[in-house]
Parts: sequence; C-alpha cells; structure tokens
Amino acid sequence: TQLLEQSPQFLSIQEGENLTVYCNSSSVFSSLQWYRQEPGEGPVLLVTVVTGGEVKKLKRLTFQFGDARKDSSLHITAAQPGDTGLYLCAGGDRDTDKLIFGTGTRLQVFP
Amino acid sequence: DAGVTQSPTHLIKTRGQQVTLRCSPKSGHDTVSWYQQALGQGPQFIFQYYEEEERQRGNFPDRFSGHQFPNYSSELNVNALLLGDSALYLCASSPDRYYEQYFGPGTRLTVT
Repeated sequence: TQLLEQSPQFLSIQEGENLTVYCNSSSVFSSLQWYRQEPGEGPVLLVTVVTGGEVKKLKRLTFQFGDARKDSSLHITAAQPGDTGLYLCAGGDRDTDKLIFGTGTRLQVFP
Repeated sequence: DAGVTQSPTHLIKTRGQQVTLRCSPKSGHDTVSWYQQALGQGPQFIFQYYEEEERQRGNFPDRFSGHQFPNYSSELNVNALLLGDSALYLCASSPDRYYEQYFGPGTRLTVT
C-alpha cells in the first residue's frame, strides 16, 4: 500500500514567517502534485512536478521533487494570512492510474 | 468555462438508506474520479471512470458504486449507509486519467 506522510500535521505561524511542509513516502511516484484546500471547498491544484530533483516556483511558494521521486517539499516565504488552508500532496502512479493523497498539513497564518 | 460541478451541496440521510451524488466534469475532460474525505484527513480514492467504465477502484466496499454517462457526467451511489460514511465526497475530472485533477466543491453527506 502506497502511503504519503506529511509533516507537520499542523502549523500555526505569524505573518511574514517562512515555513516548509514535507511529503514523504517509501514508494516511487511518476509525478507529485500539491493542492490547497479551503474550508467548504474542493482542493485546488497548485503545481505538478514530474522529474526527480525538479524545482518549481509559484510566487512565494517553492516546490521540490526529491531526486528519487519519493518525497517532496513545499516552502513558503513570508507567509500571509491568505496562505491559510489545508495543503495536500498527492502522488501519481501511471501503472495503477491512482492518485494517492497525503495526510495533509493544516496551515494557519495569523496577521 | 464552468468548472467541475457537484450536486447536492449538502445531504442528510439515515442509516440503511441509499444516496446518489452527481458530478459534471470540466469542459473537455473525459475522466472522472471520486474521493471520500473525512474531517481533517486527505481525500481517499474511491474509483475512477473513463469511457463509461470503472477503470480503477480504491479500497471501498461494493456498497459504493458508480456510473459515467456518455456526456462524461458521473454518479456515485452508496447503499446501506453507515454512520462512518459521513464525509465530504469530492469529484474530480481530468483530461488524462489522474493527471492534474480539477476538483468540485464536494457534497457534504451526513448519516444519522
């Protein structure tokens, strides 16, 4: 069974701080996606990474896919209250056609 | 361009009843996946439909079934509801199997 563990589970920080969320697995994925979900809404895709070692930047968000394609990280610089939400990583496996979601990291940014 | 839509938004059912949830995919998408999300957890994959057939299934009992119509819209049916079936049910569509899934707002199901 493929599992994706995210850490930390909860994160509460002040506006302007930096943070990193980790997504780890013992399985290799052909791609990894990051989503953000706000209360009462479905997850919204932030980025997809497919190459080991790949780094993608989306404004203040930096995403990295591990060299072995088993792990990923999301780094937020100068967090803002608008970054508050549930961050989910999801690993894709072309062999099984399944998208496996991580356990989630709930981020709260206080003004 | 309308995104993924789901209906109803909220639903309250009693144990033992049956429920049908509906999903219309994003325009141009032919693959629909269903997920169950318990409070505070990540979504769990239920199954995926492509070309009106169930392509993949997660670890869910046969009480969970689905259907995809020729216009790519989809239904999720759950029979003999249990209290543990209370969750947010998410539908996602994609243009290429599981890649870059676009989620609907979900249907909040409460079983009493």
